[in-house]
Amino acid sequence: GAVVSQHPSRVICKSGTSVKIECRSLDFQATTMFWYRQFPKQSLMLMATSNEGSKATYEQGVEKDKFLINHASLTLSTLTVTSAHPEDSSFYICSAESGLAGGESTDTQYFGPGTRLTVL
Amino acid sequence: AQKVTQAQTEISVVEKEDVTLDCVYETRDTTYYLFWYKQPPSGELVFLIRRNSFDEQNEISGRYSWNFQKSTSSFNFTITASQVVDSAVYFCALSEERGSTLGRLYFGRGTQLTVWP
Repeated sequence: GAVVSQHPSRVICKSGTSVKIECRSLDFQATTMFWYRQFPKQSLMLMATSNEGSKATYEQGVEKDKFLINHASLTLSTLTVTSAHPEDSSFYICSAESGLAGGESTDTQYFGPGTRLTVL
Repeated sequence: AQKVTQAQTEISVVEKEDVTLDCVYETRDTTYYLFWYKQPPSGELVFLIRRNSFDEQNEISGRYSWNFQKSTSSFNFTITASQVVDSAVYFCALSEERGSTLGRLYFGRGTQLTVWP
């Protein structure tokens, strides 16, 4: 159980194009999903917290107009990198946390396999 | 402020050696959760363990063991009889309860473990 998928796993695009990355919880409903970015040999940096049916909460320094997040359902969140540039090249990882059941959470975030974005 | 420190950037051991990865955290909350994740070269983060702040019992799972000590704000991870497949980056993380959800994870910088045959 607790499987999170991401698609695509790898994408190469030209500068100026937009790229959409999907994050799905396959066997549970995720009221909250998180998007992280990871540069080589560095830790994960939280970009935004996505709650189903509401606007995402972005971390300081993350441009919300550039990184569009949509959490349309309890199993799907999307991150769209708009007008991508080479500096946006990175490893993007999502995670999902199950929602409440009787006031308790799963207490664990499960991560997707990540998407490696290369912008030429 | 929340903070997770993994002082060891890289560790190299020879197969069958025991190795301990250190993790020290800071938080003002009394209710919090500590995690360890493994990130192999493929990139996916693999969940290893979760500990809540009220459970200081040490845990053993096969060759893995964890030592949680609130007195020193540490949550160290030991691999016994290491194997080449243990080579990965290991992240320690902290989360604080936010109402009925877990809240964001604060990650340490990670420790690159290399196990040589």
